[in-house]
Amino acid sequence: AQTVTQSQPEMSVQEAETVTLSCTYDTSENNYYLFWYKQPPSRQMILVIRQEAYKQQNATENRFSVNFQKAAKSFSLKISDSQLGDTAMYFCAFMSPFQGAQKLVFGQGTRLTINP
Amino acid sequence: SAVISQKPSRDICQRGTSLTIQCQVDSQVTMMFWYRQQPGQSLTLIATANQGSEATYESGFVIDKFPISRPNLTFSTLTVSNMSPEDSSIYLCSVGGGGNYEQYFGPGTRLTVT
Repeated sequence: AQTVTQSQPEMSVQEAETVTLSCTYDTSENNYYLFWYKQPPSRQMILVIRQEAYKQQNATENRFSVNFQKAAKSFSLKISDSQLGDTAMYFCAFMSPFQGAQKLVFGQGTRLTINP
Repeated sequence: SAVISQKPSRDICQRGTSLTIQCQVDSQVTMMFWYRQQPGQSLTLIATANQGSEATYESGFVIDKFPISRPNLTFSTLTVSNMSPEDSSIYLCSVGGGGNYEQYFGPGTRLTVT
């Protein structure tokens, strides 16, 4: 079974700084997808970014980018020019579309606080 | 992305009772999912709601406790049956099935069982 590990329960940075959240996963599959979700205090889960395992190029969405290291099974999220609105729980998630199932397996989450 | 609504947004229930949570999507979707998020924890998949057939449950979750309906491609319900305080959680539905395998979540239902 796939597992996802986020080793940083909490992080805190000053506004405008850059912060990197870590995520590692374990799988024997070659084709899969990785995601970062954000959950602010409103509890709404918001998709931040997606990475396909077959793509070598790291995904980027505005201030959010990932460092995907397939051999190391590592998938970190970098937030540049952090803003107060980035304060939230961040969850890393793994999904394999094998046999039609699209189950998301989540890490334990990292609570990120952006300080003014 | 689809617009997803859930009802109720929160509820406080007595132990031994049941609560049905509704999930409505503004467009037809292939796949709908139900997740549980226990206090301070991550999300765990309960089941995949299949249109026209029985739901597919994950290990540790059973149909008698969490019956699910999916009458059409825009709507699903999850019932939490015979509730106990351990069922106090946030329950979230999500939709997917697109070619990019992205899943989008509803706002969640916060359930407290006393």
